Amino acid sequence: DTEVTQTPKHLVMGMTNKKSLKCEQHMGHRAMYWYKQKAKKPPELMFVYSYEKLSINESVPSRFSPECPNSSLLNLHLHALQPEDSALYLCASSQETVLSGELFFGEGSRLTVL
Amino acid sequence: GENVEQHPSTLSVQEGDSAVIKCTYSDSASNYFPWYKQELGKRPQLIIDIRSNVGEKKDQRIAVTLNKTAKHFSLHITETQPEDSAVYFCAASNVLRGGGADGLTFGKGTHLIIQP
Repeated sequence: DTEVTQTPKHLVMGMTNKKSLKCEQHMGHRAMYWYKQKAKKPPELMFVYSYEKLSINESVPSRFSPECPNSSLLNLHLHALQPEDSALYLCASSQETVLSGELFFGEGSRLTVL
Repeated sequence: GENVEQHPSTLSVQEGDSAVIKCTYSDSASNYFPWYKQELGKRPQLIIDIRSNVGEKKDQRIAVTLNKTAKHFSLHITETQPEDSAVYFCAASNVLRGGGADGLTFGKGTHLIIQP
């Protein structure tokens, strides 16, 4: 299984809602990532988990809250988002760290904030 | 932090011709340089990567070259085909920070259009 699975594929939420994005991989990878991608732009790193510990938080607003319940799962909790947060949120994983090889991306969760 | 510049932003070539996309990076400690292809509405997928201990790597119609002194690397696609049409992102990895995992810094992307 070389898949990174993300749910939901599409999400529409109001600015007062609380929702979560979920990501799962069963490749035994020990590093997992959240990226944000706007249309026609490159992915922007948000968070990195290494061995289930948050190792990098790229100055992301606190309305985004990551969680890594175990080595296969990664969540992104969303609360009080702004319309400018509308984007494609990509989850990715790699065997150890990026330096060791390929970053496997999920298909993404397309978020619209009204 | 790392900064990756990518050129051109759009590249249109005739089917069968070659395409070259260039990137420069700022952090001399970066040592891993992958290229990702993202078709419309799809996830980015790795097509080729190179590490700083080699100068060139080839995989069928795709090759990547790296010049560490000048801090630039390039993607070469020969005998282009319609299915090569996509956005291509170069990327560079920073050194490990504090022993933890790291992420990639991406270039802004090149929209490659293959004209039939």
